[in-house]
Amino acid sequence: ELKVEQNPLFLSMQEGKNYTIYCNYSTTSDRLYWYRQDPGKSLESLFVLLSNGAVKQEGRLMASLDTKARLSTLHITAAVHDLSATYFCAFAGGTSYGKLTFGQGTILTVHP
Amino acid sequence: DAGVIQSPRHEVTEMGQEVTLRCKPISGHDYLFWYRQTMMRGLELLIYFNNNVPIDDSGMPEDRFSAKMPNASFSTLKIQPSEPRDSAVYFCASSLGPGARGYTFGSGTRLTVV
Repeated sequence: ELKVEQNPLFLSMQEGKNYTIYCNYSTTSDRLYWYRQDPGKSLESLFVLLSNGAVKQEGRLMASLDTKARLSTLHITAAVHDLSATYFCAFAGGTSYGKLTFGQGTILTVHP
Repeated sequence: DAGVIQSPRHEVTEMGQEVTLRCKPISGHDYLFWYRQTMMRGLELLIYFNNNVPIDDSGMPEDRFSAKMPNASFSTLKIQPSEPRDSAVYFCASSLGPGARGYTFGSGTRLTVV
């Protein structure tokens, strides 16, 4: 069974601090995705990581992928309140190319 | 492009009634997915289509759920009869396929069964 595990599931941060969200997956992955979801809203695509060692950055967020360790990270630098949301990792691969399997989500709250 | 369009945005229905959710994928996308999101179970894939053909429906909870994709621009998810435990947000998403760089999600339908 394909599994994606995120940790932590809840993250309370102070503005200006750095933190990392981890995403472990259980089988070979072709692609790893990070999504953001605001309360009551849809999922917004943040990053797509396609190969081992891939690193992508957008503003205060940076995502990386280590396919050998089956691990992706989402690093938050100098957090601001606007980053408060739920972050999901998801992967596609294995025997079901078209199918995205999601992690449980990390609820991030950034405090002043 | 208007993105993935879902309707209705909100649906409140009584237990036992039939509910139909609708989705229009992005033009040219040949994969379409139906997901369900609840607090308890997170995001679950219900079914997905490739070129209008159902590929994996192993996530469909039971026979009360059915999905169709009669053409490349339209899909429905039907629940008959509906039950309170079906209350959830249902998302439709589409993509270009295995090499796709992203899956685009619709705004979702919030279903409440009373």
